[in-house]
Parts: sequence; C-alpha cells; structure tokens
Amino acid sequence: EAGVAQSPRYKIIEKRQSVAFWCNPISGHATLYWYQQILGQGPKLLIQFQNNGVVDDSQLPKDRFSAERLKGVDSTLKIQPAKLEDSAVYLCASRGGWGELFFGEGSRLTVL
Amino acid sequence: GQQLNQSPQSMFIQEGEDVSMNCTSSSIFNTWLWYKQDPGEGPVLLIALYKAGELTSNGRLTAQFGITRKDSFLNISASIPSDVGIYFCAGRSLPGTYKYIFGTGTRLKVLA
Repeated sequence: EAGVAQSPRYKIIEKRQSVAFWCNPISGHATLYWYQQILGQGPKLLIQFQNNGVVDDSQLPKDRFSAERLKGVDSTLKIQPAKLEDSAVYLCASRGGWGELFFGEGSRLTVL
Repeated sequence: GQQLNQSPQSMFIQEGEDVSMNCTSSSIFNTWLWYKQDPGEGPVLLIALYKAGELTSNGRLTAQFGITRKDSFLNISASIPSDVGIYFCAGRSLPGTYKYIFGTGTRLKVLA
C-alpha cells in the first residue's frame, strides 16, 4: 500500500513570494491533515479535512495561508505572501481506520 | 497552539541501556500515539494506545496509556544506535473529532 505522498520535498523562496505544496493521502483515507513543524518543535495542526470539507482550521493564518481538497482526495496548501517565520517543514497526514495518523516525508520550506 | 509536555527533552544513553520517556497533559485524552522522526523525514508511527491502562509492545518498544488518561509512557529496551532520533507523543482529547495535539519531543542520542 502506497504511503502519503508529498511534493516538493524542498523549496526555497524569497519573502513575499508564493508557494504551494501538494499532498496525496493513503488511498481510502477520508481525513487529511496539514501540520507545520518548525525546527526543534513538534508538529502544529494547520488544517484538518474530512473528505472535501474543513473540520478545523482554527490555527491556519488565513491572511496568508489557504488549503483546499476539492475532490476529497489530494490537497494543496498555499502560502501567499510568505514571511521569514514560515520557514518550516509542512507535513501532510491521513487518518487510518483505528484513528492513527500516517505522515508523508514533508515539504521543507526556506524563506529568505 | 497547545502542545503536550514531553520529558526528558533530550537524553544521551549508552548502547544496550533501557530508555524511558513520558508525555503529560492537563486534559484527559482518548487516544495516544507515539512516533519516531529521523532527520529530514516525516514522523513514523510506533505504537497506538486506545484505552486507559493499556500496555502495548512493538519489538523493543513498550508504551502505556496512563490510568489517569492524562499521561503516556514509552520505554525502549536494550537501545541500539538506530534508535537515535526524536520521539513525539500525540494525543486526541475530543471524541469524534480526531484532532491530535503533538508533544514537544524527546531527542534520543545513543553512544556506542
């Protein structure tokens, strides 16, 4: 069974530019999460989807971050415009039938 | 955002020693997950716990769901060099939402 796929693995941009990350969850997983992990910290939830609907986006900085999961399968997370403090690893996860979360390898963003 | 407290923050141990770490919360949790994260990779699920008092093993790893439901413990027996990494706990407090909060991490370094 294929795991959670994410791309790109690495991205370097200048501040005020935009960036998009893509995630394809494990087949059949209805719940998808985006987490932000700043160096030295644990993952912090940005947004949680159930199929194509948003369950929780209370921690998403909506003035610059957006996410969608239009067909209830893959998802895109966008940052526009990026700030220096957005430098982090963006992790996508999907939820299995017993409630466990499976993570992708992450997308590492560096904002200069 | 809220995070769980993990202890210790970091530890150096000799190869062959046993390791203990814990995770505590001010809230009651319904599910505990333990992950290991290697540099440049996403977190990998080690053990999932679903019931207070539950004790579950995965090879040399054993985790327990605290009976107060506010803590969880992870033990690694006979550590080996590949146990190096950061260990995270994650907890779910609200039934039905599958919203997980992550701990601050325990960084393990094994001296050969």
